[in-house]
Amino acid sequence: AQSVAQPEDQVNVAEGNPLTVKCTYSVSGNPYLFWYVQYPNRGLQFLLKYITGDNLVKGSYGFEAEFNKSQTSFHLKKPSALVSDSALYFCAVSALPGGYGGSQGNLIFGKGTKLSVKP
Amino acid sequence: ETGVTQTPRHLVMGMTNKKSLKCEQHLGHNAMYWYKQSAKKPLELMFVYNFKEQTENNSVPSRFSPECPNSSHLFLHLHTLQPEDSALYLCASSQDRGGNVRSGNTIYFGEGSWLTVV
Repeated sequence: AQSVAQPEDQVNVAEGNPLTVKCTYSVSGNPYLFWYVQYPNRGLQFLLKYITGDNLVKGSYGFEAEFNKSQTSFHLKKPSALVSDSALYFCAVSALPGGYGGSQGNLIFGKGTKLSVKP
Repeated sequence: ETGVTQTPRHLVMGMTNKKSLKCEQHLGHNAMYWYKQSAKKPLELMFVYNFKEQTENNSVPSRFSPECPNSSHLFLHLHTLQPEDSALYLCASSQDRGGNVRSGNTIYFGEGSWLTVV
């Protein structure tokens, strides 16, 4: 079965400190992994993705994520958090056709992690 | 501006009403999606269209009826909904290269339509 897990419902960080939002995955074959952010009352915005190549992927707004095949993880990171980074963050994996949501191009999402950055 | 526009942004409807949600993408993509986002539940895929053909119906009740007249437009027709159908409905699109393989193409989302069924 293909799945994505975000073990933390909420992450609290002080402004200026580094942040990490965790994601682990379970998928057969090579995974295609994505991070999206959702600000209040908005849709999902694409942050970054890993397809192949360098394990460290850089994305929008200073975010980056590290693909770790041995740990089946794709944690989202930022060296210095901003209050404006406060939002809901979703990790996702591209599904294989035929599985749950299995049309090609479709994504299986984690349940989301609420990031709260305090001044 | 993501290139995917959804209207209306907010909709309140009674259980006996018929309404429609509209989605338009300006990205030249050939695949479009409807997702449902409810409180405390993961994002749920509802429907997928690829080159105007429906390729996925994720066991969605028949009170939700999608329509894709062309690769740029997607509708979700709503009738005799239940209060538990109240949610944020997200439209999305991507460039789908076809074939029975996993895709690494990015899916772009609209801002969503907030639906309240009373």
